[in-house]
Amino acid sequence: LAKTTQPISMDSYEGQEVNITCSHNNIATNDYITWYQQFPSQGPRFIIQGYKTKVTNEVASLFIPADRKSSTLSLPRVSLSDTAVYYCLVGGGGFKTIFGAGTRLFVKA
Amino acid sequence: EAGVTQFPSHSVIEKGQTVTLRCDPISGHDNLYWYRRVMGKEIKFLLHFVKESKQDESGMPNNRFLAERTGGTYSTLKVQPAELEDSGVYFCASSQDGTGFLREKLFFGSGTQLSVL
Repeated sequence: LAKTTQPISMDSYEGQEVNITCSHNNIATNDYITWYQQFPSQGPRFIIQGYKTKVTNEVASLFIPADRKSSTLSLPRVSLSDTAVYYCLVGGGGFKTIFGAGTRLFVKA
Repeated sequence: EAGVTQFPSHSVIEKGQTVTLRCDPISGHDNLYWYRRVMGKEIKFLLHFVKESKQDESGMPNNRFLAERTGGTYSTLKVQPAELEDSGVYFCASSQDGTGFLREKLFFGSGTQLSVL
């Protein structure tokens, strides 16, 4: 199971674009990359998932370079409500999922 | 569509007592998982059900923990007897994808905050 490395915390201001990069050097060929968001007193919530290149949905974009050893979650024009912990997961979904410490994003007014 | 629900949201018990946590997955989801976060540490996998069968329980800390999923619907996680180090948040998640864990999208409940005094 590939381990991931993310920044412990990030600060941003409302309206800015936030990019959170995750390193996963030993990602396997069949592994997907999945990002979750967690608010206090709630369970993690699925944001986006991808395998290669770029994936975009109504919430975020996920950029994955050709070597797939890292990925970047991009949140456009963040608001105060985007303050949360963001987890990058690689490989299996629920099966022995390794959440890691996540990145604490704090959005300021 | 109802999400994953967990009950109770909070539980405070004394060391040595028994506590049972319940999880109702999203209807139709065959996969059900239990996780926990203890003492502010990282979220850790406990076990995985596929319908009523335990697919993997390698994350269960010891034999004081017993999980069941009768009929492949809701699941219970019993801790007996509870110890101080069992305090933490217990999350349940479910998913629909029945094959290929690699693309699973998990839907989590809000968790049960367990405090053992």
